[in-house]
Amino acid sequence: GENVEQHPSTLSVQEGDSAVIKCTYSDSASNYFPWYKQELGKGPQLIIDIRSNVGEKKDQRIAVTLNKTAKHFSLHITETQPEDSAVYFCAASIGSGGSNYKLTFGKGTLLTVNP
Amino acid sequence: KAGVTQTPRYLIKTRGQQVTLSCSPISGHRSVSWYQQTPGQGLQFLFEYFSETQRNKGNFPGRFSGRQFSNSRSEMNVSTLELGDSALYLCASSFTSGGSSGNTIYFGEGSWLTVV
Repeated sequence: GENVEQHPSTLSVQEGDSAVIKCTYSDSASNYFPWYKQELGKGPQLIIDIRSNVGEKKDQRIAVTLNKTAKHFSLHITETQPEDSAVYFCAASIGSGGSNYKLTFGKGTLLTVNP
Repeated sequence: KAGVTQTPRYLIKTRGQQVTLSCSPISGHRSVSWYQQTPGQGLQFLFEYFSETQRNKGNFPGRFSGRQFSNSRSEMNVSTLELGDSALYLCASSFTSGGSSGNTIYFGEGSWLTVV
């Protein structure tokens, strides 16, 4: 089955700096790659996603890049703020037609933004 | 638009008991999936339902079961609870239309289960 590796497990940055989290996946059939942010005591919140027909996607301070050949994708957060502090999860899934997808998650990255 | 709603949010059970967790998906969403989150194993897929049919199942013992109703609401059940079943159980929903945006998956806040 699919296996997703996520690095680093912890990341500490100064406010205003950029943060990058990287994930690799094993199954070349995976075609959907969401990123979730999870704050303490809450469920995962979708922050951005990318599909295999796109190489990069941006949403304000957040961007995701996908390299299908190398089977890795990355989350980039610019101008970090203290409220960005949370655990971030990458995931990968395989889908066909209109079927829903089983998500395989990375182990998570604890991001701490220091004021 | 209301998000994915899970009840109860917190519960404590004793070993050997059984528990039922409930999930109401986002209005219009027809697919519901369940995940278990623990510090050691992370987020793991339990099962997924669409139109009252289980389409996918993860690697969990038969003590874990679920169902989906005609209104897309879902329940999951864990029988003969073990200490290791203590976890955050997350429900997620998506609207599978076959279109390019049909597979975005949204999570609820989860049900915290403690087995003592």
